[in-house]
Amino acid sequence: EAGVTQFPSHSVIEKGQTVTLRCDPISGHDNLYWYRRVMGKEIKFLLHFVKESKQDESGMPNNRFLAERTGGTYSTLKVQPAELEDSGVYFCASSQLVSGADTQYFGPGTRLTVL
Amino acid sequence: DAKTTQPNSMESNEEEPVHLPCNHSTISGTDYIHWYRQLPSQGPEYVIHGLTSNVNNRMASLAIAEDRKSSTLILHRATLRDAAVYYCIQAPFTGGGNKLTFGTGTQLKVEL
Repeated sequence: EAGVTQFPSHSVIEKGQTVTLRCDPISGHDNLYWYRRVMGKEIKFLLHFVKESKQDESGMPNNRFLAERTGGTYSTLKVQPAELEDSGVYFCASSQLVSGADTQYFGPGTRLTVL
Repeated sequence: DAKTTQPNSMESNEEEPVHLPCNHSTISGTDYIHWYRQLPSQGPEYVIHGLTSNVNNRMASLAIAEDRKSSTLILHRATLRDAAVYYCIQAPFTGGGNKLTFGTGTQLKVEL
């Protein structure tokens, strides 16, 4: 069974440009999460999809970030326009259930560098 | 914000057992205790989780204190591949949306 995949693995862009990150969850997982780690900080939750609906987007830093999950399969996270402080590693995770008893499976992450 | 506290780092020798402690004094009756680890340049990886009873799987064991305010992750024979940051996370059974709150974790160093 394929795990969570993320594309690209690395992205280097200039301040003011747009970047779109993609996440493909494990097949059959209705729950999809985005997290990120910025330099020197802890991994922080960004948002949670249940199928195509946003269940919790309390962690989204500002309106420059837009997440979508059309059709309830893969998800994209767009940053527009990117700022220097957006640099970091963005992780995607998926799970079958939305319960504290369930396991989240993480992708390898996308390392974003904004120059 | 992280509700658990862990030592910043620990060291172990290869093939010896490792006990990684975690305090979660504010845990409620329905919160699960999860452990994830992150190897260098990888995403977090699930290790084990439990509610009240001790748990074992192929990777590790989880010993939960009777009052549930602390737990210990046990790696029975550490290998070099176990060098990672280990995160202890409190996760509500329901109502929390299952978002994971990561703290700073414990950096485990394994030496030959």
